[in-house]
Amino acid sequence: NAGVMQNPRHLVRRRGQEARLRCSPVKGHSHVYWYRQLPEEGLKFMVYLQKENIIDESGMPKERFSAEFPKEGPSILRIQQVVRGDSAAYFCASSPSSGASTDTQYFGPGTRLTVL
Amino acid sequence: DQQVKQNSPSLSVQEGRISILNCDYTNSMFDYFLWYKKYPAEGPTFLISISSIKDKNEDGRFTVFLNKSAKHLSLHIVPSQPGDSAVYFCAASARNNFNKFYFGSGTKLNVKP
Repeated sequence: NAGVMQNPRHLVRRRGQEARLRCSPVKGHSHVYWYRQLPEEGLKFMVYLQKENIIDESGMPKERFSAEFPKEGPSILRIQQVVRGDSAAYFCASSPSSGASTDTQYFGPGTRLTVL
Repeated sequence: DQQVKQNSPSLSVQEGRISILNCDYTNSMFDYFLWYKKYPAEGPTFLISISSIKDKNEDGRFTVFLNKSAKHLSLHIVPSQPGDSAVYFCAASARNNFNKFYFGSGTKLNVKP
């Protein structure tokens, strides 16, 4: 009964490189969310996806960031041409397919991205 | 535009006593509220939730109180235990956008033995 899995747990990139963060939701969950946490701050919503669809990307930076949740495989958060300000913990969460207003989101352990 | 605020960055409590963590929000559309607990290097873990039709929800040692008129919620932990030491985040969502959670900045609770 695995929870939300994220990999890698730690990722180091140099400025200008690409970062790919992966998230496998709880089995049976078809709703995935990505959040970013900067040091000393709370989690900030980035994007909400269902299988093959982006539902709400209002928290995503307009450039360099993209997310997908394909029919098969994990959800991917992709950051192109990383800059030092992208250094943060990125958390993925999932919720059941019912999409009810009281659905709880279950979080993975996070990926800590460090940009050198 | 911080819509959910936790104004106390830290709280220290003696073991066995009550811990009270506070959270304020500004958006009157919020109708579902949650508390998450987070240990270092781990993801947030769901603790307890409350919908706006209630003013109290209790689960063992944890009770969440909601005061809609004051746009305020609090988490009570009694009795507090050293294992409760963690960062606690409150979160809220709105009926017109229920999948988007807004988080406070967290309160670091330290329960002293």
